[in-house]
Amino acid sequence: AQSVAQPEDQVNVAEGNPLTVKCTYSVSGNPYLFWYVQYPNRGLQFLLKYITGDNLVKGSYGFEAEFNKSQTSFHLKKPSALVSDSALYFCAVRLNTGGFKTIFGAGTRLFVKA
Amino acid sequence: DAGVIQSPRHEVTEMGQEVTLRCKPISGHDYLFWYRQTMMRGLELLIYFNNNVPIDDSGMPEDRFSAKMPNASFSTLKIQPSEPRDSAVYFCASSSSSGRWNTGELFFGEGSRLTVL
Repeated sequence: AQSVAQPEDQVNVAEGNPLTVKCTYSVSGNPYLFWYVQYPNRGLQFLLKYITGDNLVKGSYGFEAEFNKSQTSFHLKKPSALVSDSALYFCAVRLNTGGFKTIFGAGTRLFVKA
Repeated sequence: DAGVIQSPRHEVTEMGQEVTLRCKPISGHDYLFWYRQTMMRGLELLIYFNNNVPIDDSGMPEDRFSAKMPNASFSTLKIQPSEPRDSAVYFCASSSSSGRWNTGELFFGEGSRLTVL
């Protein structure tokens, strides 16, 4: 079955330190991969995507993600965390079923401590 | 553009009542999605439409749930009769298939928080 896994329920990091939020996927073919962020009582916001090309993609607010085909991973990273980055982060994959069906991981709560 | 607009933002109702959630997608977007978010099950895709036509409703929990998209600018998700286990945040999202890469990132509304007593 096609799926997205975020192995960590929560990630804690000190402000100024680098952060990584992990994501692995199980999808047939070449996936379209996405990261979204959700702040309290808000909808999800698109951060970045990998479609093809360079394995390191850059997105909003200084975030980037690294696509690794052999490890079927798409980890979200940021060199220096901010307290304002504290939020719920979702990894998502668009399935190769001819449409736009997009499934999401369970989400990882990022907590950045000042 | 105002983004995806959902109403109501909050709904409290009693078990057995009919609930209707509404969504206005971003103008020009040809895909519309309904998701449900709960602590236990995370973000679940209920149904999605392309050009107002339902494409995949395999995520709709049961016959009590129905969704329609009568035109390109409006969709409804209806629950009849509602049950306490339907309590969740329901999100509508839209997307566009145009553009060079047809990448399909989703634009979400703010959600409708449903509480069924």
